Amino acid sequence: EAQVTQNPRYLITVTGKKLTVTCSQNMNHEYMSWYRQDPGLGLRQIYYSMNVEVTDKGDVPEGYKVSRKEKRNFPLILESPSPNQTSLYFCASSGHRGLYGYTFGSGTRLTVV
Amino acid sequence: RKEVEQDPGPFNVPEGATVAFNCTYSNSASQSFFWYRQDCRKEPKLLMSVYSSGNEDGRFTAQLNRASQYISLLIRDSKLSDSATYLCVAAPLTGGGNKLTFGTGTQLKVEL
Repeated sequence: EAQVTQNPRYLITVTGKKLTVTCSQNMNHEYMSWYRQDPGLGLRQIYYSMNVEVTDKGDVPEGYKVSRKEKRNFPLILESPSPNQTSLYFCASSGHRGLYGYTFGSGTRLTVV
Repeated sequence: RKEVEQDPGPFNVPEGATVAFNCTYSNSASQSFFWYRQDCRKEPKLLMSVYSSGNEDGRFTAQLNRASQYISLLIRDSKLSDSATYLCVAAPLTGGGNKLTFGTGTQLKVEL
């Protein structure tokens, strides 16, 4: 089944404790992105990648890192999480240069206390 | 001003009704447009792409008006299962279409 898999689905952590949210797709897509969704603000892009070793900042990259060492994986790293990073996170991927839309993962609900 | 603006709703309609959503975008360079559907706190799912000539998929019709910079979604014969939030999305073709801009969504509630 073609899908984008994120882990974990739920995570509660403490301020300053480094964490990684994994994202993997099995569709051989070139493009991958990370979004966060907050009430009233909608989905905002954190980082995106157009291919292996090619990443760029989205609209809200502060406090996040990403890497794209393999085509299928695009982990999101929070080096020192803070409470304002409490949010619902989605990973998404697309082929065909994004022209036919994106497939989203099931989301990761992160709470930083 | 937000790049993509939508009326948040909610739109409460009876089953069988026809309902229309509009969405405006401010970046005239936007070239690709989509409607996504999102059920409560689940992942967005692509509903349909929006083409300049307009396109239809069953009960759903999407249209694009470049001159006025808005896109629309029409749902005919609403079903209870259509209840969801509908997200409008704009993207530039330059940069490979990777810079999606989402609206905050319009909530639809279809009632008996």
